[in-house]
Amino acid sequence: GAGVSQTPSNKVTEKGKYVELRCDPISGHTALYWYRQSLGQGPEFLIYFQGTGAADDSGLPNDRFFAVRPEGSVSTLKIQRTERGDSAVYLCASSRGWGNEQFFGPGTRLTVL
Amino acid sequence: GENVEQHPSTLSVQEGDSAVIKCTYSDSASNYFPWYKQELGKRPQLIIDIRSNVGEKKDQRIAVTLNKTAKHFSLHITETQPEDSAVYFCAASIAGNQFYFGTGTSLTVIP
Repeated sequence: GAGVSQTPSNKVTEKGKYVELRCDPISGHTALYWYRQSLGQGPEFLIYFQGTGAADDSGLPNDRFFAVRPEGSVSTLKIQRTERGDSAVYLCASSRGWGNEQFFGPGTRLTVL
Repeated sequence: GENVEQHPSTLSVQEGDSAVIKCTYSDSASNYFPWYKQELGKRPQLIIDIRSNVGEKKDQRIAVTLNKTAKHFSLHITETQPEDSAVYFCAASIAGNQFYFGTGTSLTVIP
């Protein structure tokens, strides 16, 4: 594809609900990253995939957060029992691998009421 | 884990002047240091990066320096232009696994 895409662009949900955020990386990019960015802050690392496997999920804040990439392309970030503190922009990025440029998606703005 | 600190948080310069943004990192295993520019409401975009086996890298008006001993790296923008106004983030990574970002520098170039 032309670039990394993310859907939805905006998601408003109520506290306690379940949400799924989708990321379509650039075709051929094996590395995929999820970040969370709060207003006025830098992106916060959540999880990194190399191919289908989560190579590093040390940034996931707790067990309410989970991400998958079953076929090594599209990834879904899943958040259970959402809390107001989960409100942020969730960014996805992909690259060809270490030392190669990360290309970011436009982000999903999640608002938990 | 890695801790990246970035200074200053805001920076205003006159058009044509230079701007310098500094970052420090804590994990000596970090070996890849990209810099990103993020305009309001847009996604971060890579502007320059440096690996730990290099001390300096330059791309037109932008340069990055790395001091591994002191664990700090800096972004230098010369001949600043109004379109350079944005938030700049530094980051540190160990072999492209986790990326740890600084808190950002809001640069304003005054025409």
